[in-house]
Amino acid sequence: SQQGEEDPQALSIQEGENATMNCSYKTSINNLQWYRQNSGRGLVHLILIRSNEREKHSGRLRVTLDTSKKSSSLLITASRAADTASYFCATDAPRGSARQLTFGSGTQLTVLP
Amino acid sequence: GAVVSQHPSWVICKSGTSVKIECRSLDFQATTMFWYRQFPKQSLMLMATSNEGSKATYEQGVEKDKFLINHASLTLSTLTVTSAHPEDSSFYICSAGRYIGADTQYFGPGTRLTVL
Repeated sequence: SQQGEEDPQALSIQEGENATMNCSYKTSINNLQWYRQNSGRGLVHLILIRSNEREKHSGRLRVTLDTSKKSSSLLITASRAADTASYFCATDAPRGSARQLTFGSGTQLTVLP
Repeated sequence: GAVVSQHPSWVICKSGTSVKIECRSLDFQATTMFWYRQFPKQSLMLMATSNEGSKATYEQGVEKDKFLINHASLTLSTLTVTSAHPEDSSFYICSAGRYIGADTQYFGPGTRLTVL
């Protein structure tokens, strides 16, 4: 079953605006990660937030995690046209001795110049 | 940083043929490698996890005889799609972890497979 569900599925904003994407999940996690994917390309790791952390920053990115609500958000501030991509959350939940990522459905972000 | 490459980046083949996709960790040793597939405008679905020197662990619903995975060295894993059919057309992405249980996976650029 899909561990992560993201909303919105698609988001279109003007350059300079902030973009917020949300991710909800169902089970306990070790950490939650956000990735970016340009069309037809591989994934780029953006940020990892551990289950005992509530907020994390990296440049123009801010990630929050609420384990009580099993949700996370990714905020991109002062967006640029180059931020146009799909953004996925991925939860890292233990499965026996293995660590596996389960990806959300993704948010397609379009930043208009 | 850790770099993972995939080869080929795209491949077109006829129905019934087999296709091999390579995943290499270029500057680190990858004890664990993962294979995902992604359909257009959809998310990544984990197909299998392979630890170096062991048999791969396949996710439910993934045919192990159709998707053969070999992880014979710490820097190379291969995925062979046997007797490919048009419904196997997809974007296949590998990732690598430095050790079993590592937090971070490093993703390859993906391979676009089109089966005619």
